[in-house]
Amino acid sequence: AQKITQTQPGMFVQEKEAVTLDCTYDTSDPSYGLFWYKQPSSGEMIFLIYQGSYDQQNATEGRYSLNFQKARKSANLVISASQLGDSAMYFCAYNAGNNRKLIWGLGTSLAVNP
Amino acid sequence: SAVISQKPSRDICQRGTSLTIQCQVDSQVTMMFWYRQQPGQSLTLIATANQGSEATYESGFVIDKFPISRPNLTFSTLTVSNMSPEDSSIYLCSVDTLAKNIQYFGAGTRLSVL
Repeated sequence: AQKITQTQPGMFVQEKEAVTLDCTYDTSDPSYGLFWYKQPSSGEMIFLIYQGSYDQQNATEGRYSLNFQKARKSANLVISASQLGDSAMYFCAYNAGNNRKLIWGLGTSLAVNP
Repeated sequence: SAVISQKPSRDICQRGTSLTIQCQVDSQVTMMFWYRQQPGQSLTLIATANQGSEATYESGFVIDKFPISRPNLTFSTLTVSNMSPEDSSIYLCSVDTLAKNIQYFGAGTRLSVL
């Protein structure tokens, strides 16, 4: 069965430091997309970054980068220079083939300490 | 990206009543989705809202409880019917822009049922 795993229920990071949030996935489909979303306490779901399975380079969006290791089926999110406003829940998700429905991980709660 | 307006942002309702949540997009989109997020949980897909036809519901969700309308390519509503305290959740709509499969979300509706 298709699934996605985030093994870190909670993480702490010091302000201005980098942090890596883990995500592994399981699909037999060769074509898939990987996504990271941020959910602050307000509840909105904010798209951060996308990685396609055929993309040759790791995706980057400002302070966010995705460490895509295809053979390991991992898609870790790296946040550089953490800010207090980065404190939120972070969800990893993917979809595969022609199915546009997203499969969601359980999320990681990130707390940035001043 | 798409700009999605979702309302109400929050509501407190009495058991046995119904609430209709609206989702308005600033551009025409093919696919719209409705999610439920119970407290401390990840997202669960309720249904895919199809323009001009009946919504496609996921296992465990039925039309009588969560009727959905999609009268055009920019608007959808979700009704939570005959509410009970177990329906207290965040409800989110999302749209699929067909660009890299990315789904963008509304700000969510935080529902509390007393």
